[in-house]
Amino acid sequence: DAGITQSPRHKVTETGTPVTLRCHQTENHRYMYWYRQDPGHGLRLIHYSYGVKDTDKGEVSDGYSVSRSKTEDFLLTLESATSSQTSVYFCAITWDREETQYFGPGTRLLVL
Amino acid sequence: SQQGEEDPQALSIQEGENATMNCSYKTSINNLQWYRQNSGRGLVHLILIRSNEREKHSGRLRVTLDTSKKSSSLLITASRAADTASYFCATDAPSNTGKLIFGQGTTLQVKP
Repeated sequence: DAGITQSPRHKVTETGTPVTLRCHQTENHRYMYWYRQDPGHGLRLIHYSYGVKDTDKGEVSDGYSVSRSKTEDFLLTLESATSSQTSVYFCAITWDREETQYFGPGTRLLVL
Repeated sequence: SQQGEEDPQALSIQEGENATMNCSYKTSINNLQWYRQNSGRGLVHLILIRSNEREKHSGRLRVTLDTSKKSSSLLITASRAADTASYFCATDAPSNTGKLIFGQGTTLQVKP
């Protein structure tokens, strides 16, 4: 998996609680992405980062925030989880924005 | 907004047959990528084809790109049961930020 891990791999939480997902890479890649995958929607980009402390919004960023204080870690936070955020979350990395993206194994999040 | 749209949504074939999946997109691109996802797993990159390329091969995979028709096809020859998976095309957004826009995927079942 190209030296990319996600934690936790599974999480069940309750509506209104904060949740943080972590993406960790050992490849020293500059670009990191968070996607969510839902039936009927494919993968949709939530946020991405093009360097330490440099982040930007994707297609479905409402309700999510991100932080990247180190090259290797990209955190996705749901400030107050809602049932609509139940999904599978994938992190991806790439060394160049015009090149292949490598995906982590995913985090299954269930918000009750 | 969906950029890549795959066709068919589902495909079932016998082992040894060829499988063809198509992808259409709406705006200009720098490159188009195909990914495979086995059930419950992350995405695995198959092929990247750039806008100035028309055809690319990788083992039993053949990808074509027709920028005039804004379409691409993925051909898997001599399919195997292990090819059973979902296949996604992804295009880079015109803003050239490295953002990928995924289609909803084609689910391929290869029967032994």
